Amino acid sequence: DTGVSQDPRHKITKRGQNVTFRCDPISEHNRLYWYRQTLGQGPEFLTYFQNEAQLEKSRLLSDRFSAERPKGSFSTLEIQRTEQGDSAMYLCASSPRQGAAYEQYFGPGTRLTVT
Amino acid sequence: KNEVEQSPQNLTAQEGEFITINCSYSVGISALHWLQQHPGGGIVSLFMLSSGKKKHGRLIATINIQEKHSSLHITASHPRDSAVYICAVSNSGYALNFGKGTSLLVTP
Repeated sequence: DTGVSQDPRHKITKRGQNVTFRCDPISEHNRLYWYRQTLGQGPEFLTYFQNEAQLEKSRLLSDRFSAERPKGSFSTLEIQRTEQGDSAMYLCASSPRQGAAYEQYFGPGTRLTVT
Repeated sequence: KNEVEQSPQNLTAQEGEFITINCSYSVGISALHWLQQHPGGGIVSLFMLSSGKKKHGRLIATINIQEKHSSLHITASHPRDSAVYICAVSNSGYALNFGKGTSLLVTP
C-alpha cells in the first residue's frame, strides 16, 4: 500500500496521560500536514512540515502538543497531559512538491478518546 | 482566515436524482478542493480546481472565482454516493481551510 498510513487507528486514554501518534506519508511527498476533526465539524489545521522543517503551526496547537518529522519522512504528534477536549480524529495528509496548488492525500486518521 | 460555508448541511435524495452541493468562501484562494469522507473517517480528494469546471465520472465540480462560489454536482446519484462532502480552500499558505461538510444520504 503506497498511501498515507497512520498508527494507531484508535486510542483510548485516561485524562492526564500522554499519547503519541505516527504518520507515514507517501514516500516521495515532502509536505506533511496534521489536522484535527471533532464530531460534526470539518477538519482544522494543526501544523505543517516541509521536509523536516515545521513551517506553520495553528493557534490550536497548545503547549501540550508537539509534532516532529526528524528525517523528513514519518512524523509524530504527541499530546501531553491529555484532556477530554482533545478527543477527536487526528488526520495526517501529505502532498508532493510540484505545482502551485497541492492536492493533499489523507491517511485514515487516529481516533482519540480521552476518558 | 478564509471563511468557508457549505450548503446544505444535510441532504437526502432518492437514487437517480441530480444533486448539488454549494460552497462559498470569503477571500481569494489559490485552489478549491472537494473531498469525500466516508463513515470511519477516511478522506478522499475528489477535485482540486482554481477555475472553470472539472468532471470525473458522475461528479462535476465548478468554480466561479468572481463570485467566490463553487458547486459539486452528482448526476444519477446512487446509494454508494452516501458520504460527507467537504469543501476546502488553500490560500497563500499550504494548509487547507475546511467547511463543515454536507452529509448526503442517497436512498434506494
